Amino acid sequence: RKEVEQDPGPFNVPEGATVAFNCTYSNSASQSFFWYRQDCRKEPKLLMSVYSSGNEDGRFTAQLNRASQYISLLIRDSKLSDSATYLCVVTANAGKSTFGDGTTLTVKP
Amino acid sequence: DGGITQSPKYLFRKEGQNVTLSCEQNLNHDAMYWYRQDPGQGLRLIYYSQIVNDFQKGDIAEGYSVSREKKESFPLTVTSAQTNPTAFYLCASSDRFNEKLFFGSGTQLSVL
Repeated sequence: RKEVEQDPGPFNVPEGATVAFNCTYSNSASQSFFWYRQDCRKEPKLLMSVYSSGNEDGRFTAQLNRASQYISLLIRDSKLSDSATYLCVVTANAGKSTFGDGTTLTVKP
Repeated sequence: DGGITQSPKYLFRKEGQNVTLSCEQNLNHDAMYWYRQDPGQGLRLIYYSQIVNDFQKGDIAEGYSVSREKKESFPLTVTSAQTNPTAFYLCASSDRFNEKLFFGSGTQLSVL
């Protein structure tokens, strides 16, 4: 079993749709959680940190459930420009960051 | 502007050849990392360095070597011992170890 698992998708949604991605992790000692966005053949860019209390940034909402060991990303009112691969990243205390394989989103007109 | 610069963008390696990928940052970050990404997969850690003159192996270090002689620079050498080097290589840095990562634009390495 991988340390960080994501549904690879692809998710194909129309503009304006709401879409949610989940990510599960196996290391209960994990401390930090992030969502990165990666466009095709480009470098990943930080989208959001994920906090236990949940956090929101415009159309994006991230949630952390430590008991069930998963994090989620919700995108509301999808735009064409949201089309990308979304990477879940989990970091254990004083350990290395572990990346999921990514979830691919395509938003269609 | 502060950032991370990787070069070259594309690199071709012949059989038995060592090649070096450059990574320079002017963010004054202590920690630097090298990742490898294969198509449809996430990033896998090759080497990381938390401080100048110190570095540690990641999950897939075999066939690679690094140095950290300056805070700003963390070059990666892909040696001839790496038998499947074709991949997208990403360098990253962070202010403190395993905080938010800032990535360079990557180097696509292919074998001739």
